[in-house]
Amino acid sequence: NAGVTQTPKFQVLKTGQSMTLQCAQDMNHEYMSWYRQDPGMGLRLIHYSVGAGITDQGEVPNGYNVSRSTTEDFPLRLLSAAPSQTSVYFCASSSLAGRSYNEQFFGPGTRLTVL
Amino acid sequence: AQSVSQHNHHVILSEAASLELGCNYSYGGTVNLFWYVQYPGQHLQLLLKYFSGDPLVKGIKGFEAEFIKSKFSFNLRKPSVQWSDTAEYFCALYSAGNMLTFGGGTRLMVKP
Repeated sequence: NAGVTQTPKFQVLKTGQSMTLQCAQDMNHEYMSWYRQDPGMGLRLIHYSVGAGITDQGEVPNGYNVSRSTTEDFPLRLLSAAPSQTSVYFCASSSLAGRSYNEQFFGPGTRLTVL
Repeated sequence: AQSVSQHNHHVILSEAASLELGCNYSYGGTVNLFWYVQYPGQHLQLLLKYFSGDPLVKGIKGFEAEFIKSKFSFNLRKPSVQWSDTAEYFCALYSAGNMLTFGGGTRLMVKP
């Protein structure tokens, strides 16, 4: 299993440009999520999904869109990039079996710089 | 709303020194807590977790953490650190819907 994969690893954008960060998992996990990591602020949840066709907002959703057309993929879209979106982005996935917490597995991250 | 605080942002230790990283939380529901580690250039990995039962939990690589309910704390400890423990450490709280709330992280540098 490749686990959780993310592309690209690095990206530089100009203000106003759009792009899509890709995330895929091969573990048949229902739950997928996107976090951004900023110094001193830990990881903050942007959007998450509990299955194909179902998405919801996390703590910091503004400026980002997501969709979940398949179980495997959960792309994150920046429609008009802003310097405040300069960050490291992590995708994570987990099973939703049972009632208690299921360990989330993280991808390697995408480092995004918006000029 | 839940929150997690890590008061030590940067810690520098020499090899063989003992480590304790602080984590405090605020949450009104059932407490499930985690410590994650992020080695340089790598993704987050789970170090240990507390769900219930024995408040002293042991994780990988010799790490342990103690859940103290009265202090709303879940501090991470290791008796003797190694250079390879240089990393960023995150405390996290689980809430409903499989969501994690992370603390701000602590960067640990271990000098050889």
